[in-house]
Amino acid sequence: KQEVTQIPAALSVPEGENLVLNCSFTDSAIYNLQWFRQDPGKGLTSLLLIQSSQREQTSGRLNASLDKSSGRSTLYIAASQPGDSATYLCAVPGGGADGLTFGKGTHLIIQP
Amino acid sequence: GAGVSQSPSNKVTEKGKDVELRCDPISGHTALYWYRQSLGQGLEFLIYFQGNSAPDKSGLPSDRFSAERTGGSVSTLTIQRTQQEDSAVYLCASSLLSFDSILGNTIYFGEGSWLTVV
Repeated sequence: KQEVTQIPAALSVPEGENLVLNCSFTDSAIYNLQWFRQDPGKGLTSLLLIQSSQREQTSGRLNASLDKSSGRSTLYIAASQPGDSATYLCAVPGGGADGLTFGKGTHLIIQP
Repeated sequence: GAGVSQSPSNKVTEKGKDVELRCDPISGHTALYWYRQSLGQGLEFLIYFQGNSAPDKSGLPSDRFSAERTGGSVSTLTIQRTQQEDSAVYLCASSLLSFDSILGNTIYFGEGSWLTVV
């Protein structure tokens, strides 16, 4: 069964810093990996989708990389802003009909 | 519609009552998913529909939970004889293709239905 771990669980940094969020998964036979953002009291917003054939994807200040062989993905946020404060979750297909398996997320606070 | 729509957005119910949660996916999306997120916990996968069919219902927490999807569109998640441990936010999501499609596809979530059982 697929398991997803996200490190760190929480992170608080001053505005303007570049930061890296980590995601690891146990079953590397995945077709894709997705990063989401969740604001308090809200649903999830998809940030980036990386297909297994890709090594990275970029959207604005966000860059996500994928290393299937090592079962890892990182989300890089450049020049962080207070509006980036949220919980960031990564998810991979769980196998079979298990849907997506999510990590528990990294709770990010960007201090103004 | 423009996004995944869920109703009700908030529901407070008495223990033992039945509740029905509705999800209206993005038009044309064949795959629909239900997740549950309890306070401080991660997302728990409940069930997945491809069209009107759910290949595996083993993710549902107990036999008090049931889900259906009709016309390849709207889905309802029903919880019978609610218990306090059912209190959570129930999130629905949809995608154009199956979640495990090798083509890869973005999954879109609704805002959730916040259920409180008192």
